[in-house]
Amino acid sequence: GAVVSQHPSWVICKSGTSVKIECRSLDFQATTMFWYRQFPKQSLMLMATSNEGSKATYEQGVEKDKFLINHASLTLSTLTVTSAHPEDSSFYICSAARLSSYNEQFFGPGTRLTVL
Amino acid sequence: ELKVEQNPLFLSMQEGKNYTIYCNYSTTSDRLYWYRQDPGKSLESLFVLLSNGAVKQEGRLMASLDTKARLSTLHITAAVHDLSATYFCAVVSGSARQLTFGSGTQLTVLP
Repeated sequence: GAVVSQHPSWVICKSGTSVKIECRSLDFQATTMFWYRQFPKQSLMLMATSNEGSKATYEQGVEKDKFLINHASLTLSTLTVTSAHPEDSSFYICSAARLSSYNEQFFGPGTRLTVL
Repeated sequence: ELKVEQNPLFLSMQEGKNYTIYCNYSTTSDRLYWYRQDPGKSLESLFVLLSNGAVKQEGRLMASLDTKARLSTLHITAAVHDLSATYFCAVVSGSARQLTFGSGTQLTVLP
């Protein structure tokens, strides 16, 4: 149990376009979902925390108008990178927390975004 | 603000040798995780440590936690090539139980 999927696995887009990444908890309901960004050879940096039906909480320095997060159900959260630029190229990883496991986070496989 | 420091950042060791990775954190937490990440992949959970003095072992890896010193260690025994990966510790904090990650230790085990 506790499987989290992400779609797409990788995406290449042109500068100025928007990209949507989906994160789904497949076999449990996630009270909270987290979005992380990881640049090459670096650690994971938390971008935002989202709870179903409410606005996401963004970490300092993360532009909420650029990284739109929607958490419409207990099994789905989406991250939309708006007007993407090459500096947004990164590995985006989501995680989903299951209430019954002390909010332990289960990680998705990640989405590699390359902006040309 | 919670800070998590990991060292070393890079580690190259020969097969069969032992080594320890250290993870220090700055504020009290009730949960610490160790993860493994292979190139191009997401995180694989290795251990969760809940209490002072906790020790967990899986194969050639053993993790321990000293909450008083705010220190966790990941000990590698008789390393093999398959252990080559990047290892992260992460500490839980906040009402939303966010994870703060260490910088990671890139381990390369040489034949």
